[in-house]
Amino acid sequence: GQSLEQPSEVTAVEGAIVQINCTYQTSGFYGLSWYQQHDGGAPTFLSYNALDGLEETGRFSSFLSRSDSYGYLLLQELQMKDSASYFCAVRDPDTDKLIFGTGTRLQVFP
Amino acid sequence: GAVVSQHPSWVICKSGTSVKIECRSLDFQATTMFWYRQFPKQSLMLMATSNEGSKATYEQGVEKDKFLINHASLTLSTLTVTSAHPEDSSFYICSHVNDDRVWNSPLHFGNGTRLTVT
Repeated sequence: GQSLEQPSEVTAVEGAIVQINCTYQTSGFYGLSWYQQHDGGAPTFLSYNALDGLEETGRFSSFLSRSDSYGYLLLQELQMKDSASYFCAVRDPDTDKLIFGTGTRLQVFP
Repeated sequence: GAVVSQHPSWVICKSGTSVKIECRSLDFQATTMFWYRQFPKQSLMLMATSNEGSKATYEQGVEKDKFLINHASLTLSTLTVTSAHPEDSSFYICSHVNDDRVWNSPLHFGNGTRLTVT
């Protein structure tokens, strides 16, 4: 089976940098994705790492270390609108199902 | 990117009644759709995989007779919560991949349905 663990909550101030960690245990691994979800809204795709290293997309970056079964999402220059829940996720290679992590609620304060 | 339309966005029903939730893929022919459920402040839990023209595949612990899924066309999947009870109150979200030609293509989600059973 698949399990992905994240811290439940992270807080930061506007303009700061925050890192959201994800550790996973999977039977087969083909990459780690990150999704953002605002309260009451739909999850939206942020990034995907198939290989080790850092992927940068604007203010957001995502890192993966397959040997450590670990990844993180890095958010820079935080804005109030970044307050949301963030989920890491892996795709089950046999069924194509997307399995989500426990989720991290980020609160950005002025 | 793909657009997924989900309806209704919220519904309140009485215990014992049934509720149908529709999920439409507006610009993509989705052979597979995924239905998730999310309780407050929790993660998204996969309920079932909806397959066009065939039976849905349910996750362990999800009652297939209670959560009826129909995927009769490439653009429409429906989830019917039968004989709803207060513990079924939750946020239900459908999704499908953005491009099934690309492995690990991101999922696109509907805006979800907030179900409250009184």
